[in-house]
Amino acid sequence: DIQLTQSPSFLSASVGDRVTITCRASQGISSYLAWYQQKPGKAPKLLIYAASTLQSGVPSRFSGSGSGTEFTLTISSLQPEDFATYYCQQLNSYPVTFGGGTKVEIK
Amino acid sequence: EVQLVESGGGLVQPGGSLKLSCAASGFTFSGSAMHWVRQASGKGLEWVGRIRSKANSYATAYAASVKGRFTISRDDSKNTAYLQMNSLKTEDTAVYYCTRGVDYWGQGTLVTVSS
Repeated sequence: DIQLTQSPSFLSASVGDRVTITCRASQGISSYLAWYQQKPGKAPKLLIYAASTLQSGVPSRFSGSGSGTEFTLTISSLQPEDFATYYCQQLNSYPVTFGGGTKVEIK
Repeated sequence: EVQLVESGGGLVQPGGSLKLSCAASGFTFSGSAMHWVRQASGKGLEWVGRIRSKANSYATAYAASVKGRFTISRDDSKNTAYLQMNSLKTEDTAVYYCTRGVDYWGQGTLVTVSS
């Protein structure tokens, strides 16, 4: 199985900060990576797919990059509504796997 | 508007069975692969399994943790996917989501396995 390691697992930041979350795969997954945002009590929301393609309706302050084994999600200017938990997911091979999550909290 | 609505969750004893449903609308259900993902309280996301479309022979795949106990099926005439869960364990307690690939998720249904 492909393991996804997210870092950091917890992040404290202020409104307006630039935030970067990393997801490392245990083996190459090309660009078969998605990023999600999840708020308490809600289903995950797709932000980025194919490593760098912004889902329709998602603000442009979110961006994704990477291929192979290392990927990043960047929020260029953190907004109050962005405080949430973020997950990466690989769809290169089965079983599909998720990273452990990064919780972004207000500093 | 795309909608996925899960139902069928509840309290079940260890060793028991439960069948979840996922009613879909707003897209061509018959042509879509459907997945199930679960999340234990305060924990991360865990992929459970998926079923492909008729064109892909309704092929299924499962996580090792549920293989042999859970079965995913679908009824394209009802635009509904199912998750049959047998031999349930306390560690299967979670919110279960159905998803269309990566882009659409239901609101989830809670399954609690406890005596």
